[in-house]
Amino acid sequence: DTGVSQDPRHKITKRGQNVTFRCDPISEHNRLYWYRQTLGQGPEFLTYFQNEAQLEKSRLLSDRFSAERPKGSFSTLEIQRTEQGDSAMYLCASSLDRDYNEQFFGPGTRLTVL
Amino acid sequence: AQSVAQPEDQVNVAEGNPLTVKCTYSVSGNPYLFWYVQYPNRGLQFLLKYITGDNLVKGSYGFEAEFNKSQTSFHLKKPSALVSDSALYFCAVRVLNTNAGKSTFGDGTTLTVKP
Repeated sequence: DTGVSQDPRHKITKRGQNVTFRCDPISEHNRLYWYRQTLGQGPEFLTYFQNEAQLEKSRLLSDRFSAERPKGSFSTLEIQRTEQGDSAMYLCASSLDRDYNEQFFGPGTRLTVL
Repeated sequence: AQSVAQPEDQVNVAEGNPLTVKCTYSVSGNPYLFWYVQYPNRGLQFLLKYITGDNLVKGSYGFEAEFNKSQTSFHLKKPSALVSDSALYFCAVRVLNTNAGKSTFGDGTTLTVKP
């Protein structure tokens, strides 16, 4: 499968715990994006990487959230001290360079914080 | 700031009838516009995009969309709906030449096509 993959697909955690999600983009894609989607809403932009550089972060991304893309390949999104409000679907997408290129989305990681 | 509005939460059409899913946008600058579709338990899939040129763009599965700059709209259309078109549709906008990665999505429109 040459699409975008995300792991895990589902994560249930208790409030206050840390969680980490992984995204593997399409191999030739320079850009990698993280979004959050809650029920009844469209994806909300969190952050994006061009190769290994994190170029833009949303104000939604509080200091409990951190994302990395070492070596410009896979990316991880970590949430520290999870809160119930963090429960959502976390989507990863990748694209070729240039703003006019469409994004290819992974299946998402559904986080439930109890 | 950029924003996208999809004024209808739900669109219902009969199979074989034409369908329209509406999208309007607000940006400072020239937009790139996209439509994505989300089937249950699957990731978002790209349908079509407007970059420049012809205002009518054609995409996957027989869908097309018309860019209207004066009305700041990018409505998705299909001449003859299929039951298999039933899904959640998202419109998204990005601003030209900002080198910014951010895409802004609408809240989605659920399309139901009845046999």
